[in-house]
Amino acid sequence: EIVLTQSPGTLSLSPGERATLSCRASQNFGSHVAWYQQEPGQAPRLLIYDASNRASGIPARFSGSVSGTDFTLTISSLEPEDFALYYCLQRSNWEGYAFGQGTKLEIK
Amino acid sequence: QITLRESGPTLVKPTQTLTLTCTFSGFSLTTSGVGVGWIRQPPGKALEWLALIYWDDDKRFNSSLESRLTITKDTAKNQVVLTMTDVDSVDTGTYFCARTAGRGTGWAFDFWGQGTLVTVSS
Repeated sequence: EIVLTQSPGTLSLSPGERATLSCRASQNFGSHVAWYQQEPGQAPRLLIYDASNRASGIPARFSGSVSGTDFTLTISSLEPEDFALYYCLQRSNWEGYAFGQGTKLEIK
Repeated sequence: QITLRESGPTLVKPTQTLTLTCTFSGFSLTTSGVGVGWIRQPPGKALEWLALIYWDDDKRFNSSLESRLTITKDTAKNQVVLTMTDVDSVDTGTYFCARTAGRGTGWAFDFWGQGTLVTVSS
């Protein structure tokens, strides 16, 4: 079973600051990890796929990286529209998919 | 232009079977690598992946819900149908369908429907 643990649960930062969001997998299921942004009342938006590839139309301030089973989403300089919920998603050919529990990025 | 739209009942009674339909356009579920999945979100809670069907009719399910779920596709109608048996109040939430284009985008869900709110209540 895929289990993803996101941290922190809530991140309080100011516009212009750097945000670092973490997603840890319970074991090595590979690098098919994606990151999503979700605004209230909306469907999630794909930001990053395969751990470090930006999806079409996503600004360069969003980046992803991986070290072992630790995946990181970095927003280099926060814009007002970046304050939202963020989820990671892992895909395994045999297990299917699983989401992390989310990180809320709020304005400090 | 790729679009997906969920449809189904807004209110279901406990123990009943929930049937949701995802109608899509702008891509084909006969294209190698393509899949359509279902994801739900209880009010104020996290996203939860439910099931996915691939172009070749291969299917994957959330192991904790597998005994209650069925997923089928109708490629002629461009539809994917999810059924969930024996619903309970904990199944209340917004249900999304979403597409994966396969290996090219890391099997991520790249296009989503707007979601449909399902309430389970007597």
